[in-house]
Amino acid sequence: GAVVSQHPSRVICKSGTSVKIECRSLDFQATTMFWYRQFPKQSLMLMATSNEGSKATYEQGVEKDKFLINHASLTLSTLTVTSAHPEDSSFYICSASRGPPEMNTEAFFGQGTRLTVV
Amino acid sequence: GQNIDQPTEMTATEGAIVQINCTYQTSGFNGLFWYQQHAGEAPTFLSYNVLDGLEEKGRFSSFLSRSKGYSYLLLKELQMKDSASYLCAVVDSNYQLIWGAGTKLIIKP
Repeated sequence: GAVVSQHPSRVICKSGTSVKIECRSLDFQATTMFWYRQFPKQSLMLMATSNEGSKATYEQGVEKDKFLINHASLTLSTLTVTSAHPEDSSFYICSASRGPPEMNTEAFFGQGTRLTVV
Repeated sequence: GQNIDQPTEMTATEGAIVQINCTYQTSGFNGLFWYQQHAGEAPTFLSYNVLDGLEEKGRFSSFLSRSKGYSYLLLKELQMKDSASYLCAVVDSNYQLIWGAGTKLIIKP
């Protein structure tokens, strides 16, 4: 299967600072990348969908100014958590797909990033 | 509203067979995924069903009935490493993934 690399796997930051999480598709071009958040013992929650070269589409309730998503190339998307607060502590997961959502192509997941804001 | 139902937790014995059910009520249907997720890790793809019937892949099989809004994941010859959460996700009419909360499967020796 295709490989998606997410970095870093764990990060601890101070409240008020910003953290950038990278998601790379290593052996395929990802037309679409998804960013999820997962709280303990809960389902994955889609935060936003990004298509290369265009602005991300955010889900209702997700602050676009706080969670900045950039999908500058077909192999890289970044999520920046700005002015992080303890309530932003969570597990963030990206996934990448070769085609747009309507093609129902399989999505490959990154390893996830455990963010702890202290 | 959109809803995916899975049992919260199941227990099975090593070497046995277990069936994890998933029922869904969504605005449209364009496919159903099953993912495996070990604690602290990202989900990994297991199967994708869009037509009715059974898809077999090694020890894992997935079944879909669109008329009943029902799917199951069948795991055979259970191994200790199969202890994980199993997530059911449906693609709705807007081609968005609707996720179930997952079923935690505990395997006992």
